[in-house]
Amino acid sequence: NAGVTQTPKFRVLKTGQSMTLLCAQDMNHEYMYWYRQDPGMGLRLIHYSVGEGTTAKGEVPDGYNVSRLKKQNFLLGLESAAPSQTSVYFCASSRRDTQYFGPGTRLTVL
Amino acid sequence: DAKTTQPTSMDCAEGRAANLPCNHSTISGNEYVYWYRQIHSQGPQYIIHGLKNNETNEMASLIITEDRKSSTLILPHATLRDTAVYYCIVRVELRTGANNLFFGTGTRLTVIP
Repeated sequence: NAGVTQTPKFRVLKTGQSMTLLCAQDMNHEYMYWYRQDPGMGLRLIHYSVGEGTTAKGEVPDGYNVSRLKKQNFLLGLESAAPSQTSVYFCASSRRDTQYFGPGTRLTVL
Repeated sequence: DAKTTQPTSMDCAEGRAANLPCNHSTISGNEYVYWYRQIHSQGPQYIIHGLKNNETNEMASLIITEDRKSSTLILPHATLRDTAVYYCIVRVELRTGANNLFFGTGTRLTVIP
């Protein structure tokens, strides 16, 4: 039981490039979330999903898209990366209430 | 939206109890208080949560005041591995049934040998 895993762990992009972050969970959780954490700050919700095929916007959704084609996977996409998207990205999943987090992806946009 | 206020940093001697305070004066009646911690920028680790009653598990105890405007996380016997940033969070239920965890900047707890 791996819990929540994230791929990749690190990535460096140039401005304007695109990429997809993958989150996978093996706990059969309905809800999945993407957060970002900037230096010295707490986490902020980007997008979330309440089940396969559904997505919704969080606090800071601009510049990101998401998809939940399979229950166990939640993808976060950056279509045209900007330096302001340099951050650590965390994925989480939950059955209903308590969220469990992955190890994070550190993204740098030059 | 409910927000929390925590001290920026605290020290605790190894083996002693660590008491981490949190103010959440604007919390609504059906909003839960959660505590997570983050070690070396790893993913946040769930510790404990509660609504109005005090709670205890294998990691910690949570004491919530009767008016629910503040709470205290207690680590009964702090070890060096408990050095981390501790977040007190109000869980807000979204209209879809999902939850948003409003993270603040947390308290950096340093356990001293």
